Amino acid sequence: NAGVTQTPKFQVLKTGQSMTLQCAQDMNHEYMSWYRQDPGMGLRLIHYSVGAGITDQGEVPNGYNVSRSTTEDFPLRLLSAAPSQTSVYFCASFAGGRTYEQYFGPGTRLTVT
Amino acid sequence: AQSVAQPEDQVNVAEGNPLTVKCTYSVSGNPYLFWYVQYPNRGLQFLLKYITGDNLVKGSYGFEAEFNKSQTSFHLKKPSALVSDSALYFCAVRDIGSSSYKLIFGSGTRLLVRP
Repeated sequence: NAGVTQTPKFQVLKTGQSMTLQCAQDMNHEYMSWYRQDPGMGLRLIHYSVGAGITDQGEVPNGYNVSRSTTEDFPLRLLSAAPSQTSVYFCASFAGGRTYEQYFGPGTRLTVT
Repeated sequence: AQSVAQPEDQVNVAEGNPLTVKCTYSVSGNPYLFWYVQYPNRGLQFLLKYITGDNLVKGSYGFEAEFNKSQTSFHLKKPSALVSDSALYFCAVRDIGSSSYKLIFGSGTRLLVRP
């Protein structure tokens, strides 16, 4: 199993540009999440999904959209990039039930100039 | 609201010495607590969890954590540190107030093990 994969690994955007960060998992997990990691702030939840067709907002959703058309994929869209969105983005998946362990992808480092 | 605090930005320890990375929590009800490790340019990896049961939890790579309800702490420990343990460590608590299985993370503690 590849686990959780993310593309691209690095991206530089200009203010106002849009892009999609890709996330895929091959573990048939129902739950998927997007976090952003900023220095000294740990990880903060952006959006999450509890199954195909079901998404909801996390702690810092503004400026981001998500969709979940399949169990495997959970893309994160930046609609109009801002310098405040410069961060490292992590996708995670979780099987549910009583396992509680979340699996994280390798991350996407995004810089907005 | 649930929260976790990691009071130390960095912990320095010599190889072979015991290490402790501190975490305190604030939750309503019974806490579900986790430790994750992040190596440079990598995603987070699960180390161990406390859900219920024994207060001393054993995890990956020789790490263990002690749950202390009276002190609301969940410190990560290892009897003998390795240089390869140098990484960023995150304590987390599950947000039991939602259906999201959201993890609330501490700010992280950088562990440096010197040879």
